[in-house]
Amino acid sequence: EAQVTQNPRYLITVTGKKLTVTCSQNMNHEYMSWYRQDPGLGLRQIYYSMNVEVTDKGDVPEGYKVSRKEKRNFPLILESPSPNQTSLYFCASSPIGLAGLETQYFGPGTRLLVL
Amino acid sequence: RKEVEQDPGPFNVPEGATVAFNCTYSNSASQSFFWYRQDCRKEPKLLMSVYSSGNEDGRFTAQLNRASQYISLLIRDSKLSDSATYLCVALGNTGFQKLVFGTGTRLLVSP
Repeated sequence: EAQVTQNPRYLITVTGKKLTVTCSQNMNHEYMSWYRQDPGLGLRQIYYSMNVEVTDKGDVPEGYKVSRKEKRNFPLILESPSPNQTSLYFCASSPIGLAGLETQYFGPGTRLLVL
Repeated sequence: RKEVEQDPGPFNVPEGATVAFNCTYSNSASQSFFWYRQDCRKEPKLLMSVYSSGNEDGRFTAQLNRASQYISLLIRDSKLSDSATYLCVALGNTGFQKLVFGTGTRLLVSP
């Protein structure tokens, strides 16, 4: 089954404690991205990657890091989480190209609370 | 001004009703548009693409008006299962394959 998986699904942590949210896809997609969703602001892109070792900033990259060492994995790293990073996070993947946008898959989401 | 704007709703309609959502976008260079559906606390899922010539899929019809820079979604014969938030999405002008999401319009279909 084609899917994007994220772990953990729910996380409560404290300010400053480093955390990683994993994202994995089994569709051999080149393009992967991370979004955060906040009430009244919609989904905003944090980082994206066009392929292995190729990553770039989205609209709200501050406080986040990513890596793309393997095609299937695209972890999101919060080195020092702060309360304003409390949000719902989605990972997504698709093939490269405009046609790929019609087959973009989202992961189930990770709900993060930073105290 | 937000790049993609939607009325947040909620739109409350009875089963069987026809309901329409509009969405405006500010980037006149945007080439591709989509409607996504998002159920409460779940991931967004692509509902349909929006083409210049319009796009129909069963009870759903999407239209694009480039002159006025708006996109519409029409749902006919609403079902209870159509209750969800509908996200209007445009391909942005910065960042490769970057999608710009509206904040969504909430639809509640009641018996």
